[in-house]
Amino acid sequence: TQLLEQSPQFLSIQEGENLTVYCNSSSVFSSLQWYRQEPGEGPVLLVTVVTGGEVKKLKRLTFQFGDARKDSSLHITAAQPGDTGLYLCAGAGDSNYQLIWGAGTKLIIKP
Amino acid sequence: SAVISQKPSRDICQRGTSLTIQCQVDSQVTMMFWYRQQPGQSLTLIATANQGSEATYESGFVIDKFPISRPNLTFSTLTVSNMSPEDSSIYLCSVVPLDRDAAYGYTFGSGTRLTVV
Repeated sequence: TQLLEQSPQFLSIQEGENLTVYCNSSSVFSSLQWYRQEPGEGPVLLVTVVTGGEVKKLKRLTFQFGDARKDSSLHITAAQPGDTGLYLCAGAGDSNYQLIWGAGTKLIIKP
Repeated sequence: SAVISQKPSRDICQRGTSLTIQCQVDSQVTMMFWYRQQPGQSLTLIATANQGSEATYESGFVIDKFPISRPNLTFSTLTVSNMSPEDSSIYLCSVVPLDRDAAYGYTFGSGTRLTVV
């Protein structure tokens, strides 16, 4: 059974600080997706990483896929209150049509 | 990308009754999924809605409790039957568009927040 461990589960920091969220597994994934969800809405896809060692940037967000495609990280630089939300990682494993979900990271950025 | 209309957005229901949730997509999609989520927590897959055939249920979910229909490539319903307070949750529809590989990401509806009293 494939598992995806996401940490931390909760993070509350001041505006302007940096943070990193991690997703780790002992399994290899064909891709790793990151979503952000705000209250009352469904998850919204931020990025998909596919190649081992890949780094993608989305403004102040940097996503990295591990060389072995078993882990990924999300780094936010100079966090802003608008970054507040639930961040979810999801790995596409044996079947691309079924994702393995991390537990989620609830992020609060205080003004 | 696909746009999903999910209805109702929220409901409060009496125990023992049933609620049908609708998921309408503005374009044809290959795969449609139904998820359950406790607020602030991760997602649990209920089933894959198959067009023209019976849905594929995950362990712990059964057709009698969560009947699913998918009459075409743009529409699906999930019914939560004989509800109890333990069914209180957020139910989400998600899809993979025809022009996208599932490995590249899903699109989600805005969810249905169900409270059973």
